[in-house]
Amino acid sequence: AQSVTQLDSHVSVSEGTPVLLRCNYSSSYSPSLFWYVQHPNKGLQLLLKYTSAATLVKGINGFEAEFKKSETSFHLTKPSAHMSDAAEYFCVVHLYNNNDMRFGAGTRLTVKP
Amino acid sequence: DAGVIQSPRHEVTEMGQEVTLRCKPISGHDYLFWYRQTMMRGLELLIYFNNNVPIDDSGMPEDRFSAKMPNASFSTLKIQPSEPRDSAVYFCASRKQGAEQYFGPGTRLTVT
Repeated sequence: AQSVTQLDSHVSVSEGTPVLLRCNYSSSYSPSLFWYVQHPNKGLQLLLKYTSAATLVKGINGFEAEFKKSETSFHLTKPSAHMSDAAEYFCVVHLYNNNDMRFGAGTRLTVKP
Repeated sequence: DAGVIQSPRHEVTEMGQEVTLRCKPISGHDYLFWYRQTMMRGLELLIYFNNNVPIDDSGMPEDRFSAKMPNASFSTLKIQPSEPRDSAVYFCASRKQGAEQYFGPGTRLTVT
């Protein structure tokens, strides 16, 4: 079985400081992993994806994530938070060999001025 | 491509009425998903289709909910009769085999 756990339901940072949103997954096989962002009253937008190529994945808006198989983690980072980064972030695991995509519970990022 | 298209964007209806939500997936995508999002339960997968065939509807709350996909470019999610607890944002998403999902803007449903 596969699952995904977002370790923090809410993260608050100050503008200009680093962002770390944590995600751990469990999967019997090599998964594909994604991060989505949802701004208030908007749909979900793909931020970045890992599909067994480079373990460090760069996404939009300066975000990146590193796939660490030994730690079964796929944490999302950004060096310097911007006010516009305030949103809900979802980590998603997908097994290519089946059609099951599991969404994490989401992490709400607050950015303080 | 215009992305995943959903209509209506907002729907307000009275309890007991029938509600139909519509979705047009991205052309060439062979998977279509319906999700429901609420503050209490977060994002829930209701049902998904592959090549217009329903594959897994285990997330559909009860018999009041039904979904169809008559062709590759159109799907509906129907609630009959609607209840206040059905109030939520309903998202449609589509993707190709093994690729990421693309979400529509959602339909905000309010049942009074």
